[in-house]
Amino acid sequence: GQNIDQPTEMTATEGAIVQINCTYQTSGFNGLFWYQQHAGEAPTFLSYNVLDGLEEKGRFSSFLSRSKGYSYLLLKELQMKDSASYLCAVRSNTNAGKSTFGDGTTLTVKP
Amino acid sequence: DVKVTQSSRYLVKRTGEKVFLECVQDMDHENMFWYRQDPGLGLRLIYFSYDVKMKEKGDIPEGYSVSREKKERFSLILESASTNQTSMYLCASRDTTYEQYFGPGTRLTVT
Repeated sequence: GQNIDQPTEMTATEGAIVQINCTYQTSGFNGLFWYQQHAGEAPTFLSYNVLDGLEEKGRFSSFLSRSKGYSYLLLKELQMKDSASYLCAVRSNTNAGKSTFGDGTTLTVKP
Repeated sequence: DVKVTQSSRYLVKRTGEKVFLECVQDMDHENMFWYRQDPGLGLRLIYFSYDVKMKEKGDIPEGYSVSREKKERFSLILESASTNQTSMYLCASRDTTYEQYFGPGTRLTVT
């Protein structure tokens, strides 16, 4: 099965940089997702890492180390609208590729 | 744009009632998923389907069943609703790539 850990809450200041970590133990790994979810809304896709390394997409970057079972989401130039929950999810290479989600990290951006 | 719709945003049912949650996607995706989301427990997979009339149990299938008679529609059924099934229910669909597209969610309250 999958076990995914990420911090419950984080707080950061507008304009700053924040890193949200995710560690996982898995019996079969295909890739790792990051989703953003604003309160009361559905999750929206941010990134998917399959290979080790950093992938950058605008203000957001995602890093993966498969050997360490570790990923992080890096948010730069924080804006108030970045206040949301950030979900880490691991996709299995078995079971029809189902994904297991972490509990999410609630990020609060303060002025 | 991919669109995933769910039949209701809010639903209130009584204990013991049979409840149907409907999900429809318009992008001819093969894979569809039902999750529930609870504070502190994250997103948990109930059932998924990778083809018409095919279904697989997720991590918490007890008390639920599903139906996929047509490719675009995936229904979640609570045979006899109980108070511990009060939750946010999220449907998602995915094609042969990796990104899951989520519906807006149904907040179900069982009294």
